[in-house]
Amino acid sequence: RKEVEQDPGPFNVPEGATVAFNCTYSNSASQSFFWYRQDCRKEPKLLMSVYSSGNEDGRFTAQLNRASQYISLLIRDSKLSDSATYLCVVNILSNNDMRFGAGTRLTVKP
Amino acid sequence: DVKVTQSSRYLVKRTGEKVFLECVQDMDHENMFWYRQDPGLGLRLIYFSYDVKMKEKGDIPEGYSVSREKKERFSLILESASTNQTSMYLCASSSTGDYGYTFGSGTRLTVV
Repeated sequence: RKEVEQDPGPFNVPEGATVAFNCTYSNSASQSFFWYRQDCRKEPKLLMSVYSSGNEDGRFTAQLNRASQYISLLIRDSKLSDSATYLCVVNILSNNDMRFGAGTRLTVKP
Repeated sequence: DVKVTQSSRYLVKRTGEKVFLECVQDMDHENMFWYRQDPGLGLRLIYFSYDVKMKEKGDIPEGYSVSREKKERFSLILESASTNQTSMYLCASSSTGDYGYTFGSGTRLTVV
């Protein structure tokens, strides 16, 4: 079983749609959680951290369920510019040993 | 802004060649990492370093070595390049206590 699993997609949605990505992780000792965004042929960039209480940044909402070892990312009112691959990232150890999911590809269409 | 610079964007090398991939960061970060990224497999950790002259194996160190002689520079070495090392290589850095990574723009290596 992979340490971090994501639905690879692709998700094809119209502009203005709401889309949700899920991610599960296998190590219950995981401490920190993140979503990264990666545009085609570019490097991953931090989108947002994920906190136990859930957190929101504009149109983006991240949720963490430690009991189910599950992370989610919700994007509301999708824009064309949201088209990218979204990587779920889990910090297994306190010394920055981050584990990446394979990514979920999103395409937002006019 | 933190900047992580990888020396080459694209490289083509022959099987058996020794290949050096260079990574430099300008924000005095303690931690540096080398990943490779392949379709369907995501990012896999090759080696990482928490300090000068320190190195730790990641998940897939075979066929690779690293060097960190200065804090700002972390080099990945392919001792004898093989076609299965064709991949996108990403360097990242972070500061201890700050869990966000900053990535370089990547080096797409093709071994022929």
